[in-house]
Amino acid sequence: NAGVTQTPKFQVLKTGQSMTLQCAQDMNHEYMSWYRQDPGMGLRLIHYSVGAGITDQGEVPNGYNVSRSTTEDFPLRLLSAAPSQTSVYFCASSYSGRGYGYTFGSGTRLTVV
Amino acid sequence: GQQVMQIPQYQHVQEGEDFTTYCNSSTTLSNIQWYKQRPGGHPVFLIQLVKSGEVKKQKRLTFQFGEAKKNSSLHITATQTTDVGTYFCAMSEGGGSNYKLTFGKGTLLTVNP
Repeated sequence: NAGVTQTPKFQVLKTGQSMTLQCAQDMNHEYMSWYRQDPGMGLRLIHYSVGAGITDQGEVPNGYNVSRSTTEDFPLRLLSAAPSQTSVYFCASSYSGRGYGYTFGSGTRLTVV
Repeated sequence: GQQVMQIPQYQHVQEGEDFTTYCNSSTTLSNIQWYKQRPGGHPVFLIQLVKSGEVKKQKRLTFQFGEAKKNSSLHITATQTTDVGTYFCAMSEGGGSNYKLTFGKGTLLTVNP
C-alpha cells in the first residue's frame, strides 16, 4: 500500500504557465480532495470528489480544474499560474461514511515566479 | 459556508506541562475530526467525534465533543517534545460523511525541553 502519492514534490513555474499536479491513491477510497496550505491560513479546500466522474468546488476553486476519470486518480490542473498560487498543495483521500479520516499525501511545494 | 474557529493560534509550553486547543462553531456539527501536522510534514488523522458529549482518549491525548455539538477540544497531558506540531480540527458537511472537510486554522504547539 503506497497510500496517497503526489507528484512532483517541488515545482517552480513562471507566471502564465500551466501544469498538472498528480495525485493517486491505492486504497480504493471514494472521496478525494485537494487542499492548499498557506502560512496562517490553515488548509483550504480547492476541489473535492465523492467518486469517479463526480467533482465539486471547495472554498478556493478559482484558477484550478479537476477531473476524476478513475477511482485512483485525481489530478489538479493550474490553468495559468499566478504568484498567488504559490503554496503547498495536499491531496487527500478517504472512505465514505462515518469514522474514517482523510489520508494525506506528502504534498507539492509550488512556487510561481 | 460553515466555519470553525480554533484557538489559540500558538502555544508554547515547557515539557511536562499540559496543553489544550479549542474549536468552536456557530452551527451544530455532525461530527468533528482532529489532525496533527508535524513541521514540514503532512496532516495525519487522529480521531473523529460524532456523539454529543463524547470523550475519547489516546494515551496522553483527550478529545471532547461538546454537548451542543458546537465545540470540541484536544487536551494533551504532560507534553513531550514529540508532541510538537500543528493541531487542526476539521468539520464535515454531508450528514456525517466527510466528503467535504473544512479545517480550522490550527494551533501550533512548541515544546521547550
